[in-house]
Amino acid sequence: DQQVKQNSPSLSVQEGRISILNCDYTNSMFDYFLWYKKYPAEGPTFLISISSIKDKNEDGRFTVFLNKSAKHLSLHIVPSQPGDSAVYFCAASSIGGADGLTFGKGTHLIIQP
Amino acid sequence: KAGVTQTPRYLIKTRGQQVTLSCSPISGHRSVSWYQQTPGQGLQFLFEYFSETQRNKGNFPGRFSGRQFSNSRSEMNVSTLELGDSALYLCASSFQQSNTGELFFGEGSRLTVL
Repeated sequence: DQQVKQNSPSLSVQEGRISILNCDYTNSMFDYFLWYKKYPAEGPTFLISISSIKDKNEDGRFTVFLNKSAKHLSLHIVPSQPGDSAVYFCAASSIGGADGLTFGKGTHLIIQP
Repeated sequence: KAGVTQTPRYLIKTRGQQVTLSCSPISGHRSVSWYQQTPGQGLQFLFEYFSETQRNKGNFPGRFSGRQFSNSRSEMNVSTLELGDSALYLCASSFQQSNTGELFFGEGSRLTVL
């Protein structure tokens, strides 16, 4: 059973517009969430994180929103740039647990000029 | 500061063979995690080693094993290879245990099983 779900395999957004990537989770023990970005032939790189005590975290053009009651988080990229074209993975963990990160299957973001 | 280094980057094996992949973490990092990435399944957790001890293990058969050395370098081994083991194997390191913070990934070892 998939505990972290990214239901959109791909997303196409025009350059300059907002990109919104969504992620749902089922495990109520998850209390730490991260987004990773991956280019082809490279390993994933960390983008931004949020703990369950917050509902928003911002870093430059990237903002992550967490809705604990809905078990949903989203990543907003404003404005979207061509270099943002990549696969984005949502990941979750339980800080007090023994398991590692659980990743979603990823969303391929395509920024169109 | 050198990043996470994985070797070999590419390899081709045949069914029934075994393979060993190596990972050198960022200096000072004590945790090494391994993930399998396939097109349909995303990143699936294999196992994590912290200070030479396997901390946890994902839902993979016993053919998948690993170890960590005193210098934090890690190896993973897959025995009796199957076609379905063809994947990108990613190693990630972190200073603390992997569930508490950012992971730094290597570029991966791409295994093709024929």
